[in-house]
Amino acid sequence: GAGVSQTPSNKVTEKGKYVELRCDPISGHTALYWYRQSLGQGPEFLIYFQGTGAADDSGLPNDRFFAVRPEGSVSTLKIQRTERGDSAMYLCASSQPDRAAGYTFGSGTRLTVV
Amino acid sequence: AQSVTQLGSHVSVSEGALVLLRCNYSSSVPPYLFWYVQYPNQGLQLLLKYTTGATLVKGINGFEAEFKKSETSFHLTKPSAHMSDAAEYFCAVVSGGYNKLIFGAGTRLAVHP
Repeated sequence: GAGVSQTPSNKVTEKGKYVELRCDPISGHTALYWYRQSLGQGPEFLIYFQGTGAADDSGLPNDRFFAVRPEGSVSTLKIQRTERGDSAMYLCASSQPDRAAGYTFGSGTRLTVV
Repeated sequence: AQSVTQLGSHVSVSEGALVLLRCNYSSSVPPYLFWYVQYPNQGLQLLLKYTTGATLVKGINGFEAEFKKSETSFHLTKPSAHMSDAAEYFCAVVSGGYNKLIFGAGTRLAVHP
């Protein structure tokens, strides 16, 4: 596609529920990144994929968070047993292997846990 | 390790005045540096980037930034602010063997008539 697409744009869930957030990167971008942005803060790195594999998952806060990218394109961020503290904007970005080419971000998914 | 410090969480300027948003980075090797803008409830839009070559880089919407290695800075400027420039601005760095962007905390720019 022309840009990075994230769905849904907004998600409200109850505490304890499971949620999935989807990211569809730019066609041909082999690298994909997930970030979490809390209100009034900068984006915080969660996980980075190169192709199908997670090259760096050092930013995942705990084992309730998991992400996959089975075919090297679309990625899903999965959050189990959601907590109110998980409420944030979740941003996805994609890039070509050359970092100098830049990173293109999607519009984000606003997750609210009530 | 990489890190970014943005001085001033809020900056307020008059329409037509100079905009200066400060960014300092920490990196043990030559970095790639980026400025992004974020409007309310939207994603991040790339304003400009420095990778190699000319240290003064020009971006969209009349913004520019200068990479100063001796000062480890990458400040963002615009000669004349417009009301539409009101937004959150983020400086980010990537360097060394890392691929992940590291962001500063952001600066909220307000433009008043």
